[in-house]
Amino acid sequence: TQLLEQSPQFLSIQEGENLTVYCNSSSVFSSLQWYRQEPGEGPVLLVTVVTGGEVKKLKRLTFQFGDARKDSSLHITAAQPGDTGLYLCAGAEGGGADGLTFGKGTHLIIQP
Amino acid sequence: DTAVSQTPKYLVTQMGNDKSIKCEQNLGHDTMYWYKQDSKKFLKIMFSYNNKELIINETVPNRFSPKSPDKAHLNLHINSLELGDSAVYFCASSQSWVGEKLFFGSGTQLSVL
Repeated sequence: TQLLEQSPQFLSIQEGENLTVYCNSSSVFSSLQWYRQEPGEGPVLLVTVVTGGEVKKLKRLTFQFGDARKDSSLHITAAQPGDTGLYLCAGAEGGGADGLTFGKGTHLIIQP
Repeated sequence: DTAVSQTPKYLVTQMGNDKSIKCEQNLGHDTMYWYKQDSKKFLKIMFSYNNKELIINETVPNRFSPKSPDKAHLNLHINSLELGDSAVYFCASSQSWVGEKLFFGSGTQLSVL
């Protein structure tokens, strides 16, 4: 099973600030997904990146897949309290026969 | 309509009991999963079924037995519950093969006393 390391583990910032969350592995993934989970709910998919170097934007969120497909980052511009949650990255290897491997998540708190 | 629904939402029980969690998806997906999320929020796959056939069976005690009566349902039965089984259990589904984007249920918080 391939490991995904997420950093930071916890992040608390003020509304309006920018932040970046990282997801790193020593192994190559065929695709990588980012989920957000709110208390008492299941994770909800934000984006899937497939191509090395790919950048996807979702409003104030920018996702990047590393050129070697071993790492990814999530950048949030002008964070809002509604961005608060647990951000999880998950990688699929090869044909995905072993399912998704999840990182341990970044707990993000945006203070008003 | 809820896409992936699991019941119950909360389950509090004594050590040694047997309990079941039910899951249903109305998305027409072929693949369903059970994930376990521990107290540190680490999400780990337990089982995966594709069209009622078991395709992923991670290292899970055999006290855990999944059952898929049809491709829209995947239930989880747990025998002889132990304190360490306390966690949040998530059901999920995906369109076809594993590795695709997952749709999660809202979780079942199991507390074993």
